[in-house]
Amino acid sequence: NAGVTQTPKFRVLKTGQSMTLLCAQDMNHEYMYWYRQDPGMGLRLIHYSVGEGTTAKGEVPDGYNVSRLKKQNFLLGLESAAPSQTSVYFCASSGGGVGVSNQPQHFGDGTRLSIL
Amino acid sequence: GQQVMQIPQYQHVQEGEDFTTYCNSSTTLSNIQWYKQRPGGHPVFLIQLVKSGEVKKQKRLTFQFGEAKKNSSLHITATQTTDVGTYFCAGTRTGGFKTIFGAGTRLFVKA
Repeated sequence: NAGVTQTPKFRVLKTGQSMTLLCAQDMNHEYMYWYRQDPGMGLRLIHYSVGEGTTAKGEVPDGYNVSRLKKQNFLLGLESAAPSQTSVYFCASSGGGVGVSNQPQHFGDGTRLSIL
Repeated sequence: GQQVMQIPQYQHVQEGEDFTTYCNSSTTLSNIQWYKQRPGGHPVFLIQLVKSGEVKKQKRLTFQFGEAKKNSSLHITATQTTDVGTYFCAGTRTGGFKTIFGAGTRLFVKA
């Protein structure tokens, strides 16, 4: 049981390049999340999804796009990378649904992204 | 918007000393979760508190949820080097959906 898998684990980009971070979960969770973690800033929610085909903005959505075409996958895209997007990106998933209280989030190992 | 403040930002202790981190919300919470992140690792869920005044224990860790459901604490008795890491609280506003993470408290333990 892999849980939450993120690819790639590391990446270096040049300013202006684009890339997609992949997240896959095998726990049949409804909810999925993308966070970024910067020193002293904790975890900040970028985008989230409450089910296949749905996405919503979090605290810091600018410069990012997401898609949830399949329940098990949640993709995070950077269309034109900027140095301010240098960070560690975590994907997470949790169970949930209408009338269900917040369930614990299960995190992937993270993607360390550097933008030069 | 909802804010979750966590203090202290970091703490250095001698092995065997106790440690406490505090979490305060600007709004009433429906629940609060605690996570631990080891250096270089990812956050791992520890526990969830739901009821006003709730206290839960996990071995040397004691978690409390305030009576007003706006604050919480994590206390570690007799710290060990394995306790090193960053402890995050995460709260969900009553009637809301999104879980907001505090900035975390980083614990350093000197052997």
